[in-house]
Amino acid sequence: NAGVMQNPRHLVRRRGQEARLRCSPMKGHSHVYWYRQLPEEGLKFMVYLQKENIIDESGMPKERFSAEFPKEGPSILRIQQVVRGDSAAYFCASSPLAGSGTDTQYFGPGTRLTVL
Amino acid sequence: DAKTTQPPSMDCAEGRAANLPCNHSTISGNEYVYWYRQIHSQGPQYIIHGLKNNETNEMASLIITEDRKSSTLILPHATLRDTAVYYCIVRGNSGGSNYKLTFGKGTLLTVNP
Repeated sequence: NAGVMQNPRHLVRRRGQEARLRCSPMKGHSHVYWYRQLPEEGLKFMVYLQKENIIDESGMPKERFSAEFPKEGPSILRIQQVVRGDSAAYFCASSPLAGSGTDTQYFGPGTRLTVL
Repeated sequence: DAKTTQPPSMDCAEGRAANLPCNHSTISGNEYVYWYRQIHSQGPQYIIHGLKNNETNEMASLIITEDRKSSTLILPHATLRDTAVYYCIVRGNSGGSNYKLTFGKGTLLTVNP
């Protein structure tokens, strides 16, 4: 059973460009979570999505960031007009159940975004 | 969610048991204790979780005190590949935003040859 897959693993963008990060959850999982890890810091929750629905985006910056999880295909985290402060590791996790406290989130390998 | 306290770093000799402590004195009755680890530059890896009883799986054992105010993660025979930052996380069971995992600074475990 393949784990959570993320691509690309490394992404370099210049200031002002767009970054698109993809996440394919584990087979059978319909709940996706995105976390960001800034250099030398812990992971911070960004957004929780179910198929075609954003459940909680309270951890996501209000501007330039958006996320989706379409009926078909991977979840996408999109960052428009990137700035140097967006440089970080972005991790996706998935879980099989209804986002309760007892379902386990499994993480992907992450995408390391570098903004020049 | 309850706050957790972990030592910033620990050392362990290869082949010996690694015992990683975690304090969660404000934990409430329906909150679970989860452990993850993050090996350098990789995604967090789920290890184990528990509510009241001690738990064991192929990776580790989790010992939770009777009053549930602290727990210990035990790696029975540490190897060099177990060198990582270990995170102890307390999560609610239902309601609110218990799906948000709150990662603190964790414990950097260094396994020495």
